[in-house]
Amino acid sequence: DAGITQSPRHKVTETGTPVTLRCHQTENHRYMYWYRQDPGHGLRLIHYSYGVKDTDKGEVSDGYSVSRSKTEDFLLTLESATSSQTSVYFCAISDYRGPSSGANVLTFGAGSRLTVL
Amino acid sequence: GESVGLHLPTLSVQEGDNSIINCAYSNSASDYFIWYKQESGKGPQFIIDIRSNMDKRQGQRVTVLLNKTVKHLSLQIAATQPGDSAVYFCAENDDYKLSFGAGTTVTVRA
Repeated sequence: DAGITQSPRHKVTETGTPVTLRCHQTENHRYMYWYRQDPGHGLRLIHYSYGVKDTDKGEVSDGYSVSRSKTEDFLLTLESATSSQTSVYFCAISDYRGPSSGANVLTFGAGSRLTVL
Repeated sequence: GESVGLHLPTLSVQEGDNSIINCAYSNSASDYFIWYKQESGKGPQFIIDIRSNMDKRQGQRVTVLLNKTVKHLSLQIAATQPGDSAVYFCAENDDYKLSFGAGTTVTVRA
């Protein structure tokens, strides 16, 4: 998927355990995003990054943290997983340069399916 | 809450017919509107976008219509093919953020 890789692709874990999902890009894009996808809700933004060590919260950020120590890697951490965090997680990247340069077109990874028992 | 929504969660279309997928939005300040297609087991893929100052844009077999008066967006697919079976999302683009609707599942009947 256009130089974006998510790992792991599938994970089953137990309530209360920490989980880290990794997003790796080879496009050198500035923006990186984490979304979750649940039936009936579409894609909801968890956190995003606009540069190394520059991150901000999305609409469903509670229970999640992120880090971006390198341009190419964006990590999503669930400090103590709960069953409500069972979902499919998508990372996305973009090279957005402002509305005068066009739409902010995101390129998505293949997704990471997380099940919390 | 969600600012973008789709009128119907499912759409069944005969192969060869045209498909029309509808979307309502609420934020008039959005710069662009974008359509994505998501096939089973994959991430969403960009189809086409339209700037907020336009009312129509055409791509290959697809046309986007934007009606700002009633805050309505539609995606028309001409001569629908089996490969068009997927979930379609409209997204509202406000600067660096995208807000997605819940999606419409399109099933193409042979």
